[in-house]
Amino acid sequence: DGGITQSPKYLFRKEGQNVTLSCEQNLNHDAMYWYRQDPGQGLRLIYYSQIVNDFQKGDIAEGYSVSREKKESFPLTVTSAQKNPTAFYLCASSNRLAGTVEQFFGPGTRLTVL
Amino acid sequence: DAKTTQPPSMDCAEGRAANLPCNHSTISGNEYVYWYRQIHSQGPQYIIHGLKNNETNEMASLIITEDRKSSTLILPHATLRDTAVYYCIVRVGGAQKLVFGQGTRLTINP
Repeated sequence: DGGITQSPKYLFRKEGQNVTLSCEQNLNHDAMYWYRQDPGQGLRLIYYSQIVNDFQKGDIAEGYSVSREKKESFPLTVTSAQKNPTAFYLCASSNRLAGTVEQFFGPGTRLTVL
Repeated sequence: DAKTTQPPSMDCAEGRAANLPCNHSTISGNEYVYWYRQIHSQGPQYIIHGLKNNETNEMASLIITEDRKSSTLILPHATLRDTAVYYCIVRVGGAQKLVFGQGTRLTINP
């Protein structure tokens, strides 16, 4: 089955540690995205990538970093510089070449920093 | 992207049609209306989108007013599994970013 996988589903880290969240897709999509969701709130865009080896900052990129070395993978690192990292993180992908595109979302990773 | 306004919550009886309104009075001529939903603790799911004409698919119908300043998502026969937060989003076709507001929390009651 084609889709997006995120691992792990739940992640706990101590304050001050960097942590990397995994996102893999086998939909052959060019574009991938990372969103953050806080309780009772909508999603906010962290980073997005339209093609391999290229990515752009979203609305709340501070304290985060990404890489896009392979089309299928778009890992997100939450660094110690992110002041409030506890949140629900969602990865998505879309076919950049389509005119009106829907984004397909993964199941999310819930990060808790202790 | 144009701002959207949705009621924070709605209730609907199982088996009845659920009609979710969305106001987007500042929408531009090249902006599409998208609907997504998010079931608790899961990733959002695409439902439907449209530009000017009404649209229907296996999940829902989208009714857009003639002036395009508002729209309504219709779930024709709501089931308990339709309980979710529904997001109305407007954006330019081909644009990559989705801007999510707080959506409408729809509760389907047995």
